[in-house]
Order: sequence, then C-alpha cells, then structure tokens
Amino acid sequence: QKEVEQNSGPLSVPEGAIASLNCTYSDRGSQSFFWYRQYSGKSPELIMSIYSNGDKEDGRFTAQLNKASQYVSLLIRDSQPSDSATYLCAVVFSGGYNKLIFGAGTRLAVHP
Amino acid sequence: DGGITQSPKYLFRKEGQNVTLSCEQNLNHDAMYWYRQDPGQGLRLIYYSQIVNDFQKGDIAEGYSVSREKKESFPLTVTSAQKNPTAFYLCASREQKFSGNTIYFGEGSWLTVV
Repeated sequence: QKEVEQNSGPLSVPEGAIASLNCTYSDRGSQSFFWYRQYSGKSPELIMSIYSNGDKEDGRFTAQLNKASQYVSLLIRDSQPSDSATYLCAVVFSGGYNKLIFGAGTRLAVHP
Repeated sequence: DGGITQSPKYLFRKEGQNVTLSCEQNLNHDAMYWYRQDPGQGLRLIYYSQIVNDFQKGDIAEGYSVSREKKESFPLTVTSAQKNPTAFYLCASREQKFSGNTIYFGEGSWLTVV
C-alpha cells in the first residue's frame, strides 16, 4: 500500500459543478493533512489544511477528514476553468521526524 | 520578506558530475524537506530534516546527499550515482505551531543532464 494514494485522473467536470477529490493514507497516527494545487512547472500552493475530523470550509473549498477511515477529501464548489490544475494531498506521518508525504496528485480539468 | 530561496532555478549537469542545489529559508522553521518531481508525477521525498545536524532518508534517497549545518540552510547534492537526475526539485520548510503546521515551498530548481 502506498503511503498516500490519490486517483491520478484526469477528473473532468463542467464549469459550475462540484469537483470531488479523494485521498487515503496508510499511517493511522497521522494528525496533519493538507491540500495543495499545482500548476504545471510551478511550486504547489496551499489550499487548505485540516487536523480534526469533520468538515472545514474556506470559500469554495471544503476539506473533509475521517481519521477512522484514513480518508481526506477536497470539494470544490462552483468549479471554474482556472481551477484546472493538479491537486496534491499531503500528510505528516507520525513517528517523531515530521515526515511529510505527498500523493501523486489528481489532475482536474474544468471545461466551459 | 520571509520565504524560501532555491538556487539555481535552472542547472545542467554533465555525466559523472556532482551538483549542489541550494535551499535557504529565513522563516526560522525547524523542519526542511527536499522533493523530486518528474513530469506528470507527484512529489517524492528525497531527504528531510527536523533539526540542525540531523536528517532522515526519504523514499528515494539513493544518489543524493544533504547536510544541515545551519537551521536556515539545507543544500542537496545530486551525485554521479544518481543515474537519472533530470527532474524538478522542490525544497520546503515547515513551522510547527500548537494551532497547526504551515508549509512553505521554494520556487523549484530544474536539473537537466546533458
């Protein structure tokens, strides 16, 4: 099992729809989770962080965390063509060394 | 302004040559990371360091080396043992606060073998 797994996509949604991105992780002791957006050839940009079970909303973005199922997701409401990018899930693993692991990313395409 | 500076942005390496990528941060962060990204792929962890004079191997450490002699600096050397080093390299640092963690990235370095 990979440490952090994401569907590679591409996930294609029409403009204005909700995009749902999923991520699972292997370390049951993990406490910190992040979603990043990355445009081709650029550094990742932080969208949201989440640390507690449940939902966290920020504008059009909602992160959802379920530690029992080792699952974290990102919902993007009212998707725009400018949201087309690769979305990376990142997890800080337990064990004392702050090991930060990224998933392979999901490519999102929002079409007009 | 606070941030992470990576240099050079573009680097060409000849076969059998070692090259060093610089990463400097003035954010007073304890943890620093190096990642490699190949086209269309995610970020793979090379090395990471939580404190000065200590670092850990990531998932793809073979052919790379690092040092952490100062809190603000975490240089990565790509050695001749790394047979396929052409990639985009990203350095990151992380602040751990009671209320959460903040991760910052540099702008990346493109390494090409010629």
